[in-house]
Amino acid sequence: NAGVTQTPKFQVLKTGQSMTLQCAQDMNHNSMYWYRQDPGMGLRLIYYSASEGTTDKGEVPNGYNVSRLNKREFSLRLESAAPSQTSVYFCASSEGFRGGRQFFGPGTRLTVL
Amino acid sequence: AQSVTQLGSHVSVSEGALVLLRCNYSSSVPPYLFWYVQYPNQGLQLLLKYTTGATLVKGINGFEAEFKKSETSFHLTKPSAHMSDAAEYFCAVSVGGSQGNLIFGKGTKLSVKP
Repeated sequence: NAGVTQTPKFQVLKTGQSMTLQCAQDMNHNSMYWYRQDPGMGLRLIYYSASEGTTDKGEVPNGYNVSRLNKREFSLRLESAAPSQTSVYFCASSEGFRGGRQFFGPGTRLTVL
Repeated sequence: AQSVTQLGSHVSVSEGALVLLRCNYSSSVPPYLFWYVQYPNQGLQLLLKYTTGATLVKGINGFEAEFKKSETSFHLTKPSAHMSDAAEYFCAVSVGGSQGNLIFGKGTKLSVKP
């Protein structure tokens, strides 16, 4: 099992460009999450999907959109990238939404110039 | 609202010494508490978690943590540090008790000196 995979690993964008970060899990998990990690800030939840067909905002949703394409895949879209979105993005999944262990992907390092 | 405070952004110990990483939380409902570890350029891995039951929780790699409700703490300990323990450690509390959303602390970077 690959666990949680993310593409791309690295990306450089110019201000105003758009892109989609892809995430897939092969553990048949119901819940998926997108976080951003900034130095000294820990991880902050952007959006989550408690189950297939549902998505909800987390702590820092502004400037992002998500799509739960199917049970396996959960994508994060930046419509018009800004330098403040320079960060490392992590996708995670868990079997259940209640108290479950979250499994994390390796991350995408995004730089917006 | 739930929150997590990790005391000390950097902790340095000698190999073989006790590791103590501090975490205090606030929660309006019975908390679910987690410790994750992040090695350089990797994602996070679960070390241990507390949901209900026994307040002393044992995790991987010899780590353990004790839930103390009266002190609203969930400190992480390991009796004897190893060089391979050098990493960043994150404490997290679940939003709304059992719900999956996690609030993370800002992290503590552990250095281990030979």
